[in-house]
Amino acid sequence: DAGVTQSPTHLIKTRGQQVTLRCSPKSGHDTVSWYQQALGQGPQFIFQYYEEEERQRGNFPDRFSGHQFPNYSSELNVNALLLGDSALYLCASSLAVPTDTQYFGPGTRLTVL
Amino acid sequence: RKEVEQDPGPFNVPEGATVAFNCTYSNSASQSFFWYRQDCRKEPKLLMSVYSSGNEDGRFTAQLNRASQYISLLIRDSKLSDSATYLCVRTSGGYQKVTFGIGRKLQVIP
Repeated sequence: DAGVTQSPTHLIKTRGQQVTLRCSPKSGHDTVSWYQQALGQGPQFIFQYYEEEERQRGNFPDRFSGHQFPNYSSELNVNALLLGDSALYLCASSLAVPTDTQYFGPGTRLTVL
Repeated sequence: RKEVEQDPGPFNVPEGATVAFNCTYSNSASQSFFWYRQDCRKEPKLLMSVYSSGNEDGRFTAQLNRASQYISLLIRDSKLSDSATYLCVRTSGGYQKVTFGIGRKLQVIP
């Protein structure tokens, strides 16, 4: 039973570029959440997708957008990259049940130069 | 007040010590609480859920105090393998918005 997978594992971009990160949820999970974790900080919630719709969103600008596909996999897109976007981006999957546990993928480490 | 506040300073303790982590939170509807463990450069992994009645799993005990709005994690007889960052987590609201504390790094020393 595969857990949450993310690609790529590492990425280096320059300011102003755009990036797309990918996530496949744990088998049987239908809800995907994305988090940004800067060095020395806890993960910050970006947004959550369920039934291909953004269900809730954290305090992130519109440069951060996402998508969920019919197979429940998801993408995170970040436009006009800033140096401050350098972070570990974590994807977590769960069932659409309020008490369900979130399972995290290994993350994508993004460096913006 | 932040939704979830956790003391960020690192813990350096000898093997066998008892360690306590605490987080305070601001009130919100329909809340659940968890402790996650994150190893260096790895993803967070669920350690245990937190209940008002307390939750114990071997050397680990988690407690929720709703009156004082804090949660705690106690690790007894700490091992070298307990070295990691411990994050408190709250989920709240109908869609279970997830909020992490800043995390506190534990280093168990031989």
